[in-house]
Amino acid sequence: GAVVSQHPSWVICKSGTSVKIECRSLDFQATTMFWYRQFPKQSLMLMATSNEGSKATYEQGVEKDKFLINHASLTLSTLTVTSAHPEDSSFYICSAREGAGANVLTFGAGSRLTVL
Amino acid sequence: GENVEQHPSTLSVQEGDSAVIKCTYSDSASNYFPWYKQELGKRPQLIIDIRSNVGEKKDQRIAVTLNKTAKHFSLHITETQPEDSAVYFCAALIGGFKTIFGAGTRLFVKA
Repeated sequence: GAVVSQHPSWVICKSGTSVKIECRSLDFQATTMFWYRQFPKQSLMLMATSNEGSKATYEQGVEKDKFLINHASLTLSTLTVTSAHPEDSSFYICSAREGAGANVLTFGAGSRLTVL
Repeated sequence: GENVEQHPSTLSVQEGDSAVIKCTYSDSASNYFPWYKQELGKRPQLIIDIRSNVGEKKDQRIAVTLNKTAKHFSLHITETQPEDSAVYFCAALIGGFKTIFGAGTRLFVKA
């Protein structure tokens, strides 16, 4: 089945620094990937849709300059949290669909970000 | 707007009993409804899904029902086991493109 790899699994950084999270589709091509954010004991909130070769589509209330998304190839999307602050600490998880007509989302393992 | 509501937020059952989780959605054009199980610190895993042209789907101890008119869908777990304890999320495919999740239900199965 489809496999999505996400790195790093956890990261601790100082306030004001930037952190990059990678999401790769290992055995399929993904023209679209989805980035979610999950606070402790809460739901998965869609942040943005990453589109290969074009700009990402951000959900309402998500700062595009804060959360930079790049989808440079059919198997890699990156999320960069810029000038991170403690309130950005969260679980970030990417997902993708295998095939243009597929509905099932396959998730990466997630990245736990802690900003000190 | 795009919204998926899920109830209850917490559910505690005795081993062997059934558990039911209910969701409603707002977008009448939604046609795909997956359910995910998430164990602590792990990624969500699809456990069952249903499309709008079907009213019910079953897979061993898990079943999902869909009432498209009322925009309701439910997850039913029978003969619950301790390993069923997890957080369950319903979701709906919005605009044929993006998946919106419910708030989640924390299920505790007591041995």
